[in-house]
Amino acid sequence: EVQLVESGGGLVQPGGSLRLSCAASGFTFSSYWMSWVRQAPGKGLEWVANIKQDGSEKYYVDSVKGRFTISRDNAKKSLYLQMNSLRAEDTAVYYCAVTTVTQYFQHWGQGTLVTVSS
Amino acid sequence: DIQMTQSPSSVSASVGDRVTITCRASQDITSWLAWYQQKPGKAPKLLIYAASSLQSGVPSRFGGSGSGTDFTLTISSLQPEDFATYYCQQANSFPLTFGPGTKVDIK
Repeated sequence: EVQLVESGGGLVQPGGSLRLSCAASGFTFSSYWMSWVRQAPGKGLEWVANIKQDGSEKYYVDSVKGRFTISRDNAKKSLYLQMNSLRAEDTAVYYCAVTTVTQYFQHWGQGTLVTVSS
Repeated sequence: DIQMTQSPSSVSASVGDRVTITCRASQDITSWLAWYQQKPGKAPKLLIYAASSLQSGVPSRFGGSGSGTDFTLTISSLQPEDFATYYCQQANSFPLTFGPGTKVDIK
């Protein structure tokens, strides 16, 4: 059974940093693209970033470019999102997702809440 | 960027009803479209990919159709567990984008 467990969320002040982690199990992690998708409270879904199986390709939504960095450790079966210069509009539940090569989000974690507020 | 729109934004329906949700892309995405179901407080779940392919384990009452810019998700006979919000997502190009969602609630 595919399991994705996000961690690292919490309350941070504007301009601060957080590092989200996603621990994967139940599938061959190194064979899949992985993604972060977020959802602001009461709002819809927004794709944030993707990373290829070997980390050689990364893509970001414009609103986080230069502030967020996606990475992975295939040996540890873990996905990460380093978030710097956080803004109030980054407040959301952040989901990690197993992503097909065709860029569909096949399996999702339960999410971790990031709140940016002073 | 490709903009995704959905209609209606909400629909009230009864158990057993046929429900149809429409998704429109701002440009041709051929069949690069997925549908997701999300229940309150839960993560989304992939229902349909490639516009019309049913994800493993998803009941056959869910169906997808369309190509180009216009797509449809149909629930042939609404069940109690189907009351949720449904999102479409284009996978044609980055940035990947979602529609705003359609909430299906109880009439």
